[in-house]
Formats: sequence, structure tokens, C-alpha cells
Amino acid sequence: EAQVTQNPRYLITVTGKKLTVTCSQNMNHEYMSWYRQDPGLGLRQIYYSMNVEVTDKGDVPEGYKVSRKEKRNFPLILESPSPNQTSLYFCASSFLAGVETQYFGPGTRLLVL
Amino acid sequence: QKEVEQNSGPLSVPEGAIASLNCTYSDRVSQSFFWYRQYSGKSPELIMSIYSNGDKEDGRFTAQLNKASQYVSLLIRDSQPSDSATYLCAAYNNNDMRFGAGTRLTVKP
Repeated sequence: EAQVTQNPRYLITVTGKKLTVTCSQNMNHEYMSWYRQDPGLGLRQIYYSMNVEVTDKGDVPEGYKVSRKEKRNFPLILESPSPNQTSLYFCASSFLAGVETQYFGPGTRLLVL
Repeated sequence: QKEVEQNSGPLSVPEGAIASLNCTYSDRVSQSFFWYRQYSGKSPELIMSIYSNGDKEDGRFTAQLNKASQYVSLLIRDSQPSDSATYLCAAYNNNDMRFGAGTRLTVKP
């Protein structure tokens, strides 16, 4: 089954404790991206990757890091989480950016205390 | 700042009616436009994409694009209770995908 998976689905952590949210797709997509969704603000792009070892900042990259060492995986790293990073996070992938259907993962709900 | 604006709603229509959802965007060079549906607690799923001016129809859904007015709309004909969801409009240009905050639609039986 073609899918984008994220782990964990739910996470409660404390300020400053490094965490990683994993994202994996099995569709051989080149383009992957991370979004956060907050009430009233919609989806905002954090980082995206055009291919292996090619990443770039989206609209709200501060406080986040990403890596793309393999085509299928695109982890999101919060080196020192803060309460303003409490949000719902989605990973997404597509063959090409902007012209192909973007498939979203199930989401990761993060609470930073 | 590049913006995509949507009326947050809620928009309420009776079953069988036409639901009209609207979206404006500020980045004049946006190339591609998308409508996603998001059920509560779920991830967004693509309904329609549109790239050129005019109408694009797919079943009960019609997307309309007017680049001169920087306006995108989605019409849902014969609305069903299962169409009740939040609809997200997105505009894409040069690796930058911008989403609106979404319009919540309720279809009443």
C-alpha cells in the first residue's frame, strides 16, 4: 500500500529535550516536505527536500532541522523544543513539487511543556 | 508576505445544494493551485488541482481559476453530509507551497 508514515503519532515532551519525528514514504517520491498546522493559521511549510541531500527552508524553519540521507526518509529534528512548537505536524511527499498529488502522512501531535 | 486567504466559515448548506468555497492569493506568479479536504483529526487529501484559467470539473467538484483576479474557487454540486470537512486552498510557486487557513463546510441532511 502506497503511504507516508510518521512516528510518533503523539508526543509530550519538555522544553529543551531534543526529539526527532520520523517520516517515511514507499512511493519513490523525490519531493518531501514538513508542515505544521495551527488553529487559524492553516498549514505552514517548515522545510522541503527536492531529492537526496537537497533540502531548503520553507516558511517557518526556525527551531527545526531536517536531513535527507535516503530517498524514502525525511526526519524532522527539534534540537531544543520550546512551547511555541506545540503543534500538529504533517509530512508529505510527491513525485514532483507543485504539479503532482502531494500525499500526507497521518500527522504527529506534539505538546512541549 | 505571500498569503492565501480563505473565509474560515463555517459555511453551512443543505444536502443537495451547491457549496461555493473561495480563495484569494497574493503571489501573482503562483503557478499551481490545489484544493484539499481535511476531515477532523485526519490529514489533508487532494480533491482538485488547477493550473490554467477557467474551469476544471471532476465529478461533483468544479475548480475555477482567475489569475487576473488572483482568485480560485471550488464548487461542490449535490452536496452530501459526507462532504462536511475543512477545505484548504493552496498556491504553489518555485518550491513554495502556501496554504490558506481553510473553510469549514457543514452539509446538513
